[in-house]
Amino acid sequence: AQSVTQLDSQVPVFEEAPVELRCNYSSSVSVYLFWYVQYPNQGLQLLLKYLSGSTLVKGINGFEAEFNKSQTSFHLRKPSVHISDTAEYFCAVRKASGTYKYIFGTGTRLKVLA
Amino acid sequence: EAQVTQNPRYLITVTGKKLTVTCSQNMNHEYMSWYRQDPGLGLRQIYYSMNVEVTDKGDVPEGYKVSRKEKRNFPLILESPSPNQTSLYFCASSSLDRDYEQYFGPGTRLTVT
Repeated sequence: AQSVTQLDSQVPVFEEAPVELRCNYSSSVSVYLFWYVQYPNQGLQLLLKYLSGSTLVKGINGFEAEFNKSQTSFHLRKPSVHISDTAEYFCAVRKASGTYKYIFGTGTRLKVLA
Repeated sequence: EAQVTQNPRYLITVTGKKLTVTCSQNMNHEYMSWYRQDPGLGLRQIYYSMNVEVTDKGDVPEGYKVSRKEKRNFPLILESPSPNQTSLYFCASSSLDRDYEQYFGPGTRLTVT
């Protein structure tokens, strides 16, 4: 079975500072990895995904993530955050084939401070 | 506009009164899924469907039913709701060839008293 751990429930950061949101996963088979963003009172939106190939994945809104198989991590980064990045971020995992079963992390609330 | 719609958006009901939350997508997607979101628990998948008449359990299926009689619709049925089903529910869909890109609906906030 797969599992996902988001180590930080809340991350405060000042505007224009860099940020890293951490995600670790566990799986004995190949997986797809995802980051989703949820703005207040909205549904989820896909930020980026890792399916295969290059371990550095770029997404929307200037975010990127790096897949590290040896450390079973998929941390999300942004070099300079804006107030508008304030949202909740979810890491998710799914087996690479044969299923549509998703496992989400518990979420990290990013609060960007002026 | 391509979208996933859910109805109702807000619902307050009483224990034991059967209810249905509808989900519809206009993108001709094969895959559809239901999630619940609870504080501190993130999203948990309830059921998913990989095509018409094909459904499977997610992590938390107890107390829920689904059906997929048409490609565009995937209703979530609570036959006898209980207070522990108070939650924010999301429907999502994706296409066969890009099944890794889920499109989420706006959510349904359900309160069971």
